[in-house]
Amino acid sequence: NAGVTQTPKFQVLKTGQSMTLQCAQDMNHNSMYWYRQDPGMGLRLIYYSASEGTTDKGEVPNGYNVSRLNKREFSLRLESAAPSQTSVYFCASSRGLGDNEQFFGPGTRLTVL
Amino acid sequence: RKEVEQDPGPFNVPEGATVAFNCTYSNSASQSFFWYRQDCRKEPKLLMSVYSSGNEDGRFTAQLNRASQYISLLIRDSKLSDSATYLCVVNVGFYNAGNNRKLIWGLGTSLAVNP
Repeated sequence: NAGVTQTPKFQVLKTGQSMTLQCAQDMNHNSMYWYRQDPGMGLRLIYYSASEGTTDKGEVPNGYNVSRLNKREFSLRLESAAPSQTSVYFCASSRGLGDNEQFFGPGTRLTVL
Repeated sequence: RKEVEQDPGPFNVPEGATVAFNCTYSNSASQSFFWYRQDCRKEPKLLMSVYSSGNEDGRFTAQLNRASQYISLLIRDSKLSDSATYLCVVNVGFYNAGNNRKLIWGLGTSLAVNP
């Protein structure tokens, strides 16, 4: 089992460009999450998906959109990247929403110039 | 006051030392508590849950003090491989829909174990 996979691992964008971060899990988990981690800010929830077919905003959703493509895949889209979105992005999954153990992907390091 | 607060460190200790971290939380309604470990430039991974009665897993001991609203992590006989950031996580508040509690993450405490 690969667990949670994310692509790409690294990305550099120019301001205004768009991109989609991909995430997939093979643990048959119902819930998936997107976080960003910044120095001095800790992990902050961007969006989450309680189950296939549902998505909802977390603490910092502005500038992002998500798609729960199927039970396995949950993508994060930046429509018009801004320097403030420079961060490390982690996808995570859990058996159910509110489950205490979340399994994380390796992260995507995004720089917006 | 932040919901979850940790001393960022870094804690520099020699191999074999015992080191302890505390984490305070502000919401007395918090129900569950955890320590996650995050290696440099890697993803967080669950280290251990923290039970009301305290719990131990090998060299690691976690304690909860509800009256003072803090949890602690004690590492005995530190190894070089223990060098990491330790994230305190509290299950409090709710996701937007329903009554599922969400995780609130501390900023982490950095530990460096030196030879």
